[in-house]
Amino acid sequence: GQQVMQIPQYQHVQEGEDFTTYCNSSTTLSNIQWYKQRPGGHPVFLIQLVKSGEVKKQKRLTFQFGEAKKNSSLHITATQTTDVGTYFCAGPRGSSNTGKLIFGQGTTLQVKP
Amino acid sequence: EPEVTQTPSHQVTQMGQEVILRCVPISNHLYFYWYRQILGQKVEFLVSFYNNEISEKSEIFDDQFSVERPDGSNFTLKIRSTKLEDSAMYFCAITPSGTGHNQPQHFGDGTRLSIL
Repeated sequence: GQQVMQIPQYQHVQEGEDFTTYCNSSTTLSNIQWYKQRPGGHPVFLIQLVKSGEVKKQKRLTFQFGEAKKNSSLHITATQTTDVGTYFCAGPRGSSNTGKLIFGQGTTLQVKP
Repeated sequence: EPEVTQTPSHQVTQMGQEVILRCVPISNHLYFYWYRQILGQKVEFLVSFYNNEISEKSEIFDDQFSVERPDGSNFTLKIRSTKLEDSAMYFCAITPSGTGHNQPQHFGDGTRLSIL
């Protein structure tokens, strides 16, 4: 079945360093979504990418969607302690229009002050 | 403020008992989803629901599970005869009204289910 993989699983950085997480799907995605989950919290929607090669920025966060629409990345510039949490990418199942999202395993970011 | 409220926040139940988890949207949503997250693992899709019907369910969502909107507002997930492996966080999610299934989802705070 369709799989969404993320690397790395964990990342420890010093505050101020950059951070990147990578997401790969086994199949082409109609769109990809990124969520952040703080420890003990629920997934919070960050952004949705739809177009091939799309790049979106939110302050220090840069999101990219690959040309083949099978991979994506999230890059955080100059991390802060507020960036701590697990970042998940998620995509719909194939051409499904039923709302089913397949999540990656997530990348847990720890930031040392 | 979350668009959905989930109750209870924590449920402790003996194995074999039935549990009902509730999701109450703030406004009139049509598209609902249930996910679960076993501690330390990824978020797993259970079921999507639109217009009082199941749109899709995963292989996890077997005969032990059911969903309904009993009063047109609350959206419930029932787990019959719970098993130890049902222990997890259960999240309800919605998409904003009028946007359809293939849109970003907004999650509730979740219910932590502990089976003893």
